[in-house]
Amino acid sequence: EVQLVESGGGLVQPGGSLRLSCAASGFTFSRYWMTWVRQAPGKGPEWVANINQDGGAKYYADSLKGRFTISRDNARNALYLQIYSLTAEDTAVYFCEGGAAADYWGQGTLVTVSS
Amino acid sequence: QVVVTQEPSLTVSPGGTVTLTCGSSTGTVTSGHKAYWFQQKPGQAPRTLIYDTSNKHSWTPARFSGSLLGGKAALTLSGAQPEDEAEYYCLLCYSGPWVFGGGTMLTVL
Repeated sequence: EVQLVESGGGLVQPGGSLRLSCAASGFTFSRYWMTWVRQAPGKGPEWVANINQDGGAKYYADSLKGRFTISRDNARNALYLQIYSLTAEDTAVYFCEGGAAADYWGQGTLVTVSS
Repeated sequence: QVVVTQEPSLTVSPGGTVTLTCGSSTGTVTSGHKAYWFQQKPGQAPRTLIYDTSNKHSWTPARFSGSLLGGKAALTLSGAQPEDEAEYYCLLCYSGPWVFGGGTMLTVL
């Protein structure tokens, strides 16, 4: 069974940083691009970043460049998202997604930025 | 900043047909934008229905189809069912980064 399980969310103070993880199983993780998508409460999804199979190519949403870093560890079947200088606008559920054509989605991890 | 536009809301009768569209502020949507369509119901993660403009996943009901129409990407639902009531989002590729549309709330009534 394919699973993507996000973790690392929680309550963080403005200005803080966070590293989100996504554990993949049930498919050949190293064969696919992987993506982070976030969704603020009551809003539509926002594409955040993606990374190619060996981590050599990364793309970020123009509005988020500089504060987000995507990475992966194929040996651990894991995807990561490091977020710096968090603001209230970063409050959202963060999903990881992957597969040949966005086949697989996790259930998300909630990040709340508040003092 | 690229903006991807969708109809905010549409209504379709059960058994009816409706087309949702996805436009780009940069101009005509082409196959190069590799349009994706997602369905999302409250409290759930998005589910991919269509990829690369018109390709379906194994779980995509046959009543959904994707195309390019009038310079936009389009999702057509033929024979709407009550369970199709949901939010629908498109996603377009811009030579690296991707951008979601704002979503269409589809009501089956």
